[in-house]
Amino acid sequence: DAKTTQPTSMDCAEGRAANLPCNHSTISGNEYVYWYRQIHSQGPQYIIHGLKNNETNEMASLIITEDRKSSTLILPHATLRDTAVYYCIVSHNNAGNMLTFGGGTRLMVKP
Amino acid sequence: ETGVTQSPTHLIKTRGQQVTLRCSSQSGHNTVSWYQQALGQGPQFIFQYYREEENGRGNFPPRFSGLQFPNYSSELNVNALELDDSALYLCASSSLKGTSGGETQYFGPGTRLLVL
Repeated sequence: DAKTTQPTSMDCAEGRAANLPCNHSTISGNEYVYWYRQIHSQGPQYIIHGLKNNETNEMASLIITEDRKSSTLILPHATLRDTAVYYCIVSHNNAGNMLTFGGGTRLMVKP
Repeated sequence: ETGVTQSPTHLIKTRGQQVTLRCSSQSGHNTVSWYQQALGQGPQFIFQYYREEENGRGNFPPRFSGLQFPNYSSELNVNALELDDSALYLCASSSLKGTSGGETQYFGPGTRLLVL
């Protein structure tokens, strides 16, 4: 599976949009981009995933560049409860699918 | 809430002992994956079970073994515990559709194991 690169940490003001970048320049054509987050000592929480089109759900939006070498997770109105470690993962969405977690981005939402 | 449950929530063992951790998958899911998360690091894939058979394994020694039952629940067994086995153990369930594609993995809350 392709490797991802994310900033180690980011700050965001409460109520503002949080934009979390991820580079995955070696992504292959059939690999998906997944985003999970992990709040302290809890299990990772699925946020969103996509292949090449932009995606939106009730939690976030995922913007994938046309060449698919990078993506951005957008939390439109960050709250204090969004403080967490955010993981960007690329993975084949097929049998035997395993998720390879990197270090993630520690997002701190400040009042 | 994902519907994935794990037991126990916390466990303390001593070196050399054996431990069994349990996971109940989300309703409708037929696949369970296990991950180990050491303090300050991201989760590392241990193995996956699909239809009661191991369906992929990460870089973990044979003393890490597992089972999946007909109801798709699963167990992770670790023999000859070492101090470095202290970690949060996570299971994730998903629904594989044969070889045609997989779906999102949903994680349970984890079992925190401390080896003394």
